Amino acid sequence: ETGVTQSPTHLIKTRGQQVTLRCSSQSGHNTVSWYQQALGQGPQFIFQYYREEENGRGNFPPRFSGLQFPNYSSELNVNALELDDSALYLCASSSGTGATGELFFGEGSRLTVL
Amino acid sequence: AQSVTQLDSQVPVFEEAPVELRCNYSSSVSVYLFWYVQYPNQGLQLLLKYLSGSTLVKSINGFEAEFNKSQTSFHLRKPSVHISDTAEYFCAVSDPGRGGGADGLTFGKGTHLIIQP
Repeated sequence: ETGVTQSPTHLIKTRGQQVTLRCSSQSGHNTVSWYQQALGQGPQFIFQYYREEENGRGNFPPRFSGLQFPNYSSELNVNALELDDSALYLCASSSGTGATGELFFGEGSRLTVL
Repeated sequence: AQSVTQLDSQVPVFEEAPVELRCNYSSSVSVYLFWYVQYPNQGLQLLLKYLSGSTLVKSINGFEAEFNKSQTSFHLRKPSVHISDTAEYFCAVSDPGRGGGADGLTFGKGTHLIIQP
């Protein structure tokens, strides 16, 4: 059984640039959620994708967008990067969208914005 | 809106001593409660969860947590810790009434458990 994998593991961008982060969900999972974890903070919910549609969204601006593909993998896109976007971005997969479901997290993509 | 408070950012404990990691939540509705653990250089893993029923829930590696509705708390305990328990522990809540996980989990800031030999 393959776990959740994320790429790239680390990247550095400059303010104003755009970034795409990728996530492969665990085998058998049809739901992907993205979280932002700033240094010293807990993860914050960005959005969730289910069957290729955005199913829920946290308090993040529209420059944070995503996609889910037919194989349930996902992308997180961030436009017009700001210094405060520097964080660890976590992808989590689950089977179904239920609040009771266990989330399986990847190791994250660490983004540094200069 | 829900919020989670983990009162201690860091808890140092000697090996084989008991430990309690505190978690309080703020919500006007019923909640589901979770503890996730993040070992160094790994992703978050579910440690245990409370959905309904017995207020005391246990993990396979000796941790337990008790849901206390009147205190709005979900503290995590272990009677005897090991070096391998060194990790970051996150308490989280979700709203069972919101049609699934559409709001995601709300996490606390985490507690770094440091086991001293």
